[in-house]
Order: sequence, then structure tokens, then C-alpha cells
Amino acid sequence: DAGVIQSPRHEVTEMGQEVTLRCKPISGHNSLFWYRQTMMRGLELLIYFNNNVPIDDSGMPEDRFSAKMPNASFSTLKIQPSEPRDSAVYFCASSFGGSPGELFFGEGSRLTVL
Amino acid sequence: SQKIEQNSEALNIQEGKTATLTCNYTNYSPAYLQWYRQDPGRGPVFLLLIRENEKEKRKERLKVTFDTTLKQSLFHITASQPADSATYLCAPQNYGGSQGNLIFGKGTKLSVKP
Repeated sequence: DAGVIQSPRHEVTEMGQEVTLRCKPISGHNSLFWYRQTMMRGLELLIYFNNNVPIDDSGMPEDRFSAKMPNASFSTLKIQPSEPRDSAVYFCASSFGGSPGELFFGEGSRLTVL
Repeated sequence: SQKIEQNSEALNIQEGKTATLTCNYTNYSPAYLQWYRQDPGRGPVFLLLIRENEKEKRKERLKVTFDTTLKQSLFHITASQPADSATYLCAPQNYGGSQGNLIFGKGTKLSVKP
């Protein structure tokens, strides 16, 4: 299996622009997670889906952030409008089955907002 | 609020020695605790999961302990090698919660010198 695939790996944009990050989970996994990592705050859970349904989005910083999972093999995280403080590495992870379970992370999307 | 503390930002040891990393948590009653390894520019990779009724778990040169009274987990790497240099993250996981409760500590950066 190719693992969790994220795109783009790097994104540089200007403040106010819309940013869309994409994730393809491992086939057969039924849970998908979006995390954000910064030096200051570490790895923060933004939202997670179970069977394509958003279960907990309490970690989403504000209304500028939205996430969708239209099917079992694709998810997006959108930031509109982007701000410099959104600069971070965004990770997508997937897992199979109920708790507990290991997470399989993608390589991340490094976002820089100028 | 739930809080996870990992010992120091960096740990430097000599090759061949045992590295011991600490994970302390408060306002948690985790049923499980996971440890991950993260290399620069990569996503975290799962290493071990220990359950609350397990005092100790081993995997090759890795050993994890879980003391629910002290609210602490220790992660040991014996006969450390330069290839073990990475950041190690702990993630306590609440009982009955879905995997969405997987919240990570900020990690400890381990450097093993030859």
C-alpha cells in the first residue's frame, strides 16, 4: 500500500488567498484525522472523520477552516482566507477499526502564508 | 484541561547508552498510551501501544512502562544508536473514547552521538 498520500507537499501563498490541502487515506481505513504541527503548539488535532462523517471538529481554529470527506478515499482541508498565523505543517492520518488503534500519518503539507 | 508533558526539549546521549524519555499527563484517565517517532520533515510513525493494565511492554530494543498512579509513561531505548535520533511523541488515549481523543505531547528530541 502506498500509505497516506497528501498534496501538495509545500504551499506558499499570500495572505487572503484560499488554500486547499488534500489527503488520500489508506484503502480500507475508516477513520481520518487532520492535525496541524507548529514548534510552539506541537501536534494539534483539528478534526476527525469516521466513515466519512465528521465526528469532532472542536479543534478547528475558526470559521476560516473547513474540512470535507466526500468519500472514503478523499478528504480536503480548506482555509479561506488564509493568514500568516496559519503557517504550519498539516498532517493527515488514517486508521482502521475502533479504539485503540495506531494512526498512519502522511508526510504532511508545509504551508507558508506570507 | 488535559495536559501532556514530555521531559525537556532535547536529550543528548552517547551511543550504546540507554535513553529514557518521560511522558507525564494530568486530567486524564487514559486506558492506553501510544508512542510515535518523528523524523525531520516526515510524519509521525507508530512504535508501541501500552494498555492501562500492562505495566510494561517491549519491542526489540524498546521498552515502555505505564504507571497510572504516577500518571506517567517511560520510554526506554537500550543500546542506543545514532539511527535512533529523532523526536519521540507520546499520546495518552482515554478509555471508551474514539481515536479522536488521541492528543499528542510536544515530543522529546533525542540525539545519539557516536
